[in-house]
Amino acid sequence: EVQLVETGGGLSQPGGSLRLACRVSGFAVSDNHMSWVRQAPGTGLEWVSVIYGDNTEIYAESVKGRFTIFRDNAKNTLYLQMNSLSAEDTAVYYCARGPYSTTWMGFDYWGQGALVAVSS
Amino acid sequence: IVMTQSPATLSVSPGERATLSCRASQDIGSRIAWYQQRPGQAPRLLMYEASSRATAIPARISGSGSVTEFTLTISSLQSEDFGIYYCQQYSQWPLTFGGGTRVEIK
Repeated sequence: EVQLVETGGGLSQPGGSLRLACRVSGFAVSDNHMSWVRQAPGTGLEWVSVIYGDNTEIYAESVKGRFTIFRDNAKNTLYLQMNSLSAEDTAVYYCARGPYSTTWMGFDYWGQGALVAVSS
Repeated sequence: IVMTQSPATLSVSPGERATLSCRASQDIGSRIAWYQQRPGQAPRLLMYEASSRATAIPARISGSGSVTEFTLTISSLQSEDFGIYYCQQYSQWPLTFGGGTRVEIK
């Protein structure tokens, strides 16, 4: 059974840092595109970052230079290191497989989400 | 690429057809996915490549379109079909989502 379980959300002051983790079971993170998608309270979905199987990283302009996506293949876990946080980063953060796994198909598996709140 | 969804809200009686639209600001071929999100839940993939159903998605849900105009159709609305539906393009980085269509059960 495929499961993606996020941990690491919480409250940060502006300018602070948080690290999210997404533990995956049922497939290898190293064999797939893995992404982070966020959703600010009461709003729609925003793609944040992707890491390819070959470790290529791509970021949305809104987080470039502040967030870093990486993975630990031995732990089959995806991470998002978030630095210089601002109130605009307040959101539920989802990890998801995609947009490419066996084919280009969007995000076919999602975690339950981790809430990140940035406030003084 | 800007994805524009319409209508913002759709109120449909059970058993009726629901038609949701999504327009891309430039040619994305068939690189579009559709998701349903119920309150408090993660999105669920419904369709990809415009017209391919994801695993376990019932046949009453279908997708069509290409280039810039796309449609998601629910042929006979069921109670579990309520929620917000998002389209998303994966033709170019950054990936972008539409603003969503809220489907209400009348």
